[in-house]
Amino acid sequence: DVKVTQSSRYLVKRTGEKVFLECVQDMDHENMFWYRQDPGLGLRLIYFSYDVKMKEKGDIPEGYSVSREKKERFSLILESASTNQTSMYLCASSTAATGKSSYEQYFGPGTRLTVT
Amino acid sequence: AQSVSQHNHHVILSEAASLELGCNYSYGGTVNLFWYVQYPGQHLQLLLKYFSGDPLVKGIKGFEAEFIKSKFSFNLRKPSVQWSDTAEYFCAVTRSGYSTLTFGKGTMLLVSP
Repeated sequence: DVKVTQSSRYLVKRTGEKVFLECVQDMDHENMFWYRQDPGLGLRLIYFSYDVKMKEKGDIPEGYSVSREKKERFSLILESASTNQTSMYLCASSTAATGKSSYEQYFGPGTRLTVT
Repeated sequence: AQSVSQHNHHVILSEAASLELGCNYSYGGTVNLFWYVQYPGQHLQLLLKYFSGDPLVKGIKGFEAEFIKSKFSFNLRKPSVQWSDTAEYFCAVTRSGYSTLTFGKGTMLLVSP
């Protein structure tokens, strides 16, 4: 079974703090993704990475950065947390798409971040 | 940019009722389609997927979905829902050969016993 783990299930931070969310996958997947999930808005892609040290902006990258130093680990960084970043953050991984085939993503349990 | 539209944000059904959740996407090329489910307190998991071939795909727990290319639709169905199907359901699409998914906003299904 694919396993995607996230460092915390719940996190409370103060406005202005630097926040690190960690994600680890154990299936040697090339791709890793960070989403935020908000009620009524579904999942929105923040950043994704298709290889070590490679990253691409998603739909809502503002206020976030990412780091992928090892294939199995993908970190999301909030440089200066703000209250509008209170959300559920989901990490996912997948095999790289090839030719005309795309592959499903496997999700972690999520981190519920509250910024006060 | 592609988009995904889920017709209902909330659906309430009684046990044994039939279910159909609508999903439409905007991209005109070759696509891969997915339905994910999120049970209360659990992580998102794949319900079923369409890559090619038979447009009627079967997934876990008795769910199925039909890809109708002419209608840009991928509706999810189940003939008889159970209380344990209470969850949020997300439709997602990607252009074939691409890795990123575009998700719909989700449909919250509540099944009353």
